[in-house]
Amino acid sequence: GAVVSQHPSRVICKSGTSVKIECRSLDFQATTMFWYRQFPKQSLMLMATSNEGSKATYEQGVEKDKFLINHASLTLSTLTVTSAHPEDSSFYICSARGAFSDKSNQPQHFGDGTRLSIL
Amino acid sequence: DAKTTQPPSMDCAEGRAANLPCNHSTISGNEYVYWYRQIHSQGPQYIIHGLKNNETNEMASLIITEDRKSSTLILPHATLRDTAVYYCIAHGSSNTGKLIFGQGTTLQVKP
Repeated sequence: GAVVSQHPSRVICKSGTSVKIECRSLDFQATTMFWYRQFPKQSLMLMATSNEGSKATYEQGVEKDKFLINHASLTLSTLTVTSAHPEDSSFYICSARGAFSDKSNQPQHFGDGTRLSIL
Repeated sequence: DAKTTQPPSMDCAEGRAANLPCNHSTISGNEYVYWYRQIHSQGPQYIIHGLKNNETNEMASLIITEDRKSSTLILPHATLRDTAVYYCIAHGSSNTGKLIFGQGTTLQVKP
């Protein structure tokens, strides 16, 4: 089945550091990727939708200057948490869908997440 | 996408069938019912989806009521590795493709 790879799986860094997380679709072209954040004991919260070759669409309340998203190719989207602070510590998860996923109602595929800890 | 309602938690004995219910009374005609699960500290894993007819794959069966207002995910022989949070999502074809996750059902499979 389709595979989405997310890297790194875990990051621990100091406050004020910028952290980049990569999301790759390994065996299909992902025209759209989604970024989620999940706090302990809570559900996934959608942060933004990333479309290849265009600007990301952010959900209400998500700071676009804080969470920079780049989707430069059909297999790679990156999320950069800029000037991270302890409150940004969370589990970040990406998902991807192919060019015809919605028309064929095929499911989205998720990465295994990145656990970000800001000290 | 239509709102879904699931019980917050369920227990199941190992080897027995786990039946996880989901209500989606406002589901529209073009919305599918998708099930994902999330094992602790991992990303969600797709299980199964369906529109009207019951569906079965190697992981589970999906039973959708005739009026489509509810569905049940069945894990026929639950194992300890099936312990996870199970999410039921009603989702239709759209340009955005966004999936909105509710709180899901935490299934605890016990020995």
